[in-house]
Amino acid sequence: AQSVTQPDIHITVSEGASLELRCNYSYGATPYLFWYVQSPGQGLQLLLKYFSGDTLVQGIKGFEAEFKRSQSSFNLRKPSVHWSDAAEYFCAVGRPNNNDMRFGAGTRLTVKP
Amino acid sequence: ETGVTQTPRHLVMGMTNKKSLKCEQHLGHNAMYWYKQSAKKPLELMFVYSLEERVENNSVPSRFSPECPNSSHLFLHLHTLQPEDSALYLCASSQDPSRLYYEQYFGPGTRLTVT
Repeated sequence: AQSVTQPDIHITVSEGASLELRCNYSYGATPYLFWYVQSPGQGLQLLLKYFSGDTLVQGIKGFEAEFKRSQSSFNLRKPSVHWSDAAEYFCAVGRPNNNDMRFGAGTRLTVKP
Repeated sequence: ETGVTQTPRHLVMGMTNKKSLKCEQHLGHNAMYWYKQSAKKPLELMFVYSLEERVENNSVPSRFSPECPNSSHLFLHLHTLQPEDSALYLCASSQDPSRLYYEQYFGPGTRLTVT
């Protein structure tokens, strides 16, 4: 079965600084890849997804992610972080034509003024 | 109401109680999901319904019993729970039953505490 790892449990960045959240997956073929964000007291909101095609995908709120097959990674990036980006971020991996979806343990983002 | 709603938002129950969690989606979707979110653990998929048929049951204990009476509503019936079942229970929906997990929309969750 596939798995997904988010190596960083907690990251702190200053407002206006750039951000990169790491996600690595284990799967024998090209998976479906997702990034979700969860604000306190809320459910998860989809930021972006990758199924096929262009390996650099753009999402909402100024986020982007790049699929790198050679590194089995799907890292999330944002050039300039805003205080409202403070939240928990989850990477998820799904398999085409299979009812299986795995989430990473999440990375909590703190934004310093 | 818009999106995916869940009631109640908070629930405290004893181990001998019976309660139900409710989820309703107003998006016209055809697939619905129950997830369990515990502290410091990855999100766990519990059940998946596609066109009101259960298609996934990830080895969930029988004290959790899902029900999907129509494509807009999903219930999770709880009975004789254990303290370790305390968690945030999230409901989600997605549009295309032939492509499960595509663009899931999540509700805000029910925070369950078992005493």
